[in-house]
Amino acid sequence: DIQMTQSPSTLSASVGDRVTITCRASQTISSWLAWYQQKPGKAPKMLIYKSSSLQSGVPSRFSGSGSGTEFTLTISSLQPDDFATYYCQQYYTYSYTFGQGTKLEIK
Amino acid sequence: EVQLLESGGDLVQPGTSLRLSCVASGFTFSNYLMTWVRQAPGKGLEWVSGSGGSDTGTKYADSVKGRFTISRDNSKNTLYLQMDSLRAEDTAVYYCAKGSYKDSYDFTNWGQGTLVTVSS
Repeated sequence: DIQMTQSPSTLSASVGDRVTITCRASQTISSWLAWYQQKPGKAPKMLIYKSSSLQSGVPSRFSGSGSGTEFTLTISSLQPDDFATYYCQQYYTYSYTFGQGTKLEIK
Repeated sequence: EVQLLESGGDLVQPGTSLRLSCVASGFTFSNYLMTWVRQAPGKGLEWVSGSGGSDTGTKYADSVKGRFTISRDNSKNTLYLQMDSLRAEDTAVYYCAKGSYKDSYDFTNWGQGTLVTVSS
């Protein structure tokens, strides 16, 4: 199975900061990568699909890039609503694995 | 508007069975992949099982293969997860989610989740 590794596991930042989260796959997944945001007690929400396509309704401060085995999620200017946990997920092949998550905290 | 509403979560003893349901609305249910994803308390997300749209087949994570069965009733816009031989490690919030296409395992919409607790 493909392993997905996110870094960092925790990130402290301030409103207005530009932040980047990295996701690495244990083998190539082309561009079949999605990013999700999850707030405590809530369901995940899709932000990005196919590595860099913005899901409908998601603010343009979110962007994704990468292909093969290395991917990034960037938030250009953090807003108070963005403090949450972020997960990457490969959907190139079974077993559609998620990263372990990156918790974005207020500094 | 896409809506997914799960139900059926409960506190059950190890070795017993439980069936989860997910009622969908706001899209043509039969055309889309539907899936179950779970999250153990304080842990990350784990894909569990998927049912492809337009009869493209079913898949299971190794951790539940042979114990869980996914099914769907397209006439009722409902997805099910039959969970047998439950173990303590199956304790989690179970989310129903919609794929972006009939056989694509990226998940555009999620339900609010239903809690399954397996404990004696």
